[in-house]
Amino acid sequence: DSGVTQTPKHLITATGQRVTLRCSPRSGDLSVYWYQQSLDQGLQFLIQYYNGEERAKGNILERFSAQQFPDLHSELNLSSLELGDSALYFCASQGLAGDEQFFGPGTRLTVL
Amino acid sequence: AQTVTQSQPEMSVQEAETVTLSCTYDTSESNYYLFWYKQPPSRQMILVIRQEAYKQQNATENRFSVNFQKAAKSFSLKISDSQLGDTAMYFCAFMKTSGTYKYIFGTGTRLKVLA
Repeated sequence: DSGVTQTPKHLITATGQRVTLRCSPRSGDLSVYWYQQSLDQGLQFLIQYYNGEERAKGNILERFSAQQFPDLHSELNLSSLELGDSALYFCASQGLAGDEQFFGPGTRLTVL
Repeated sequence: AQTVTQSQPEMSVQEAETVTLSCTYDTSESNYYLFWYKQPPSRQMILVIRQEAYKQQNATENRFSVNFQKAAKSFSLKISDSQLGDTAMYFCAFMKTSGTYKYIFGTGTRLKVLA
């Protein structure tokens, strides 16, 4: 158990809909990263937050947004969903040591 | 921009044998970290081993060791005495330590350990 929690584990929705994925980092970790992993693909970095502020942005679509709250949990919002958004979405947290990332179990999103 | 390349999409190895997974990277940074992550069928991402670029000594974790060649920008993973539980996707990752922390992952190598 990495100490990072993600909810829900599975999400099935329809095209055009909007969903919110939630991540709680390890206790004390200030950094949260979001990744997208499409079927049998590598991880695509989406966005990073550090202590509530956006720190870095990767290949995140304009239809996607994220935020990190004062209690350090983070949410990834995906809107106007398309079939191609079906993927495993990982959240990872990183501690003050700033090296290893601890991954949550992921949220599997299926868009029908 | 940093890039990470894993040129072996799939590999297989007999149980108890040794296998080496390749990873090369490109960066102009002098300080950085390199990692190997394992993703078994459960899809959980698990850190296997890490290497700080300033350390010349190759990292070792039980049956897992790396061959870090900084000048060649190569970071291979050796798995000794392969076990069925080593069957997984293996991702090489780079993280720079200056400026904005950002991980770059390779595309992965699917390793199958054969009984």
